[in-house]
Amino acid sequence: RKEVEQDPGPFNVPEGATVAFNCTYSNSASQSFFWYRQDCRKEPKLLMSVYSSGNEDGRFTAQLNRASQYISLLIRDSKLSDSATYLCVVRTAGGTSYGKLTFGQGTILTVHP
Amino acid sequence: DAGVIQSPRHEVTEMGQEVTLRCKPISGHNSLFWYRQTMMRGLELLIYFNNNVPIDDSGMPEDRFSAKMPNASFSTLKIQPSEPRDSAVYFCASSLGPPLASPLHFGNGTRLTVT
Repeated sequence: RKEVEQDPGPFNVPEGATVAFNCTYSNSASQSFFWYRQDCRKEPKLLMSVYSSGNEDGRFTAQLNRASQYISLLIRDSKLSDSATYLCVVRTAGGTSYGKLTFGQGTILTVHP
Repeated sequence: DAGVIQSPRHEVTEMGQEVTLRCKPISGHNSLFWYRQTMMRGLELLIYFNNNVPIDDSGMPEDRFSAKMPNASFSTLKIQPSEPRDSAVYFCASSLGPPLASPLHFGNGTRLTVT
């Protein structure tokens, strides 16, 4: 089983739609969680951190469920510029994996007019 | 502020040649990571350093790969000898760590093609 798993998609949605991405992680020692965005042929960039109580940044909402080892990202009122690959990232501490960050395979989103 | 700086941006080399990729982390960041990205395998962690010390190199594919961090502002990833299957985009990233919640900042990457 992969340490971090995402639905690869692709998700094709019209402008204005709401879309949700899910991510599961296998290591219960995971301590920090992030969503990154990667545009074609570019480097990944931090979209938002994920906090235990859930957090929102404009049209983006992230949720964490530690019991189920599950992270989600919700995008409301999607824009054409939201088209990208969204990467779930998990940071694990302890033992030989201190500070190790593991990326999911990414979920491809295409927003069309 | 300058971000993570990688060089070269593109590298084309022949099989068997030595390749050296370079990275300058963001000033003040004490954790540095080398990742490789391919279509098939996504982003794979190769090695990471904390305070210039290698912490986990379990992702380094084989002995042909080596990485060094001689000081806080410079790291290299070397492949010797290179093979066509090493073709990928290699990213360097840095962060503050601990605390563990510090996110990564990536460089622009080096696109390596081995023919």
